[in-house]
Amino acid sequence: EDQVTQSPEALRLQEGESSSLNCSYTVSGLRGLFWYRQDPGKGPEFLFTLYSAGEEKEKERLKATLTKKESFLHITAPKPEDSATYLCAVQAPSDYKLSFGAGTTVTVRA
Amino acid sequence: KAGVTQTPRYLIKTRGQQVTLSCSPISGHRSVSWYQQTPGQGLQFLFEYFSETQRNKGNFPGRFSGRQFSNSRSEMNVSTLELGDSALYLCASSLGQGIGEKLFFGSGTQLSVL
Repeated sequence: EDQVTQSPEALRLQEGESSSLNCSYTVSGLRGLFWYRQDPGKGPEFLFTLYSAGEEKEKERLKATLTKKESFLHITAPKPEDSATYLCAVQAPSDYKLSFGAGTTVTVRA
Repeated sequence: KAGVTQTPRYLIKTRGQQVTLSCSPISGHRSVSWYQQTPGQGLQFLFEYFSETQRNKGNFPGRFSGRQFSNSRSEMNVSTLELGDSALYLCASSLGQGIGEKLFFGSGTQLSVL
């Protein structure tokens, strides 16, 4: 069965203090690895899809990278509005579903 | 373009009752997925429908069922509610092409079972 483990569970950052979130996964043949952001009281919002090891994608202060066993979400010089729960999910070739990790809750203080 | 709409936003039920949740996908999207989110288990896949057919089903008991209509709108039903069914139920829509396709989520229906 697909497994996704995210660490740390929670991260408290000072504004401008860069850091990284980790997502390690076990899946038979990765079809895609996804990063979502979820704000309180809302559904997850899509950030990135990564398909193969070595791939990188960027959006504003966020950069996602992928290896054969894990993915990292780097947050560069975060702002308070980056505070959210970041979710990682994988999709296997035989499925139309996403298997999600438990998420990392990021709090950025001004 | 309107997003994914879920109704109702909040629901309070008692044990043993049944409940129906509704989801209207983004216009043009033919796939609708349902997920259950709880603090302890995180996001767990319930089922996915494409063109009125269930393509995939998660590991939930038969009390959880769903359907999709010809206009792609979807409903999920939970019968004989249990306390453990209290959760945020999220609906997501997509074009339905499957390969690495991103999902667009609604804001969810918060179900409380008393």
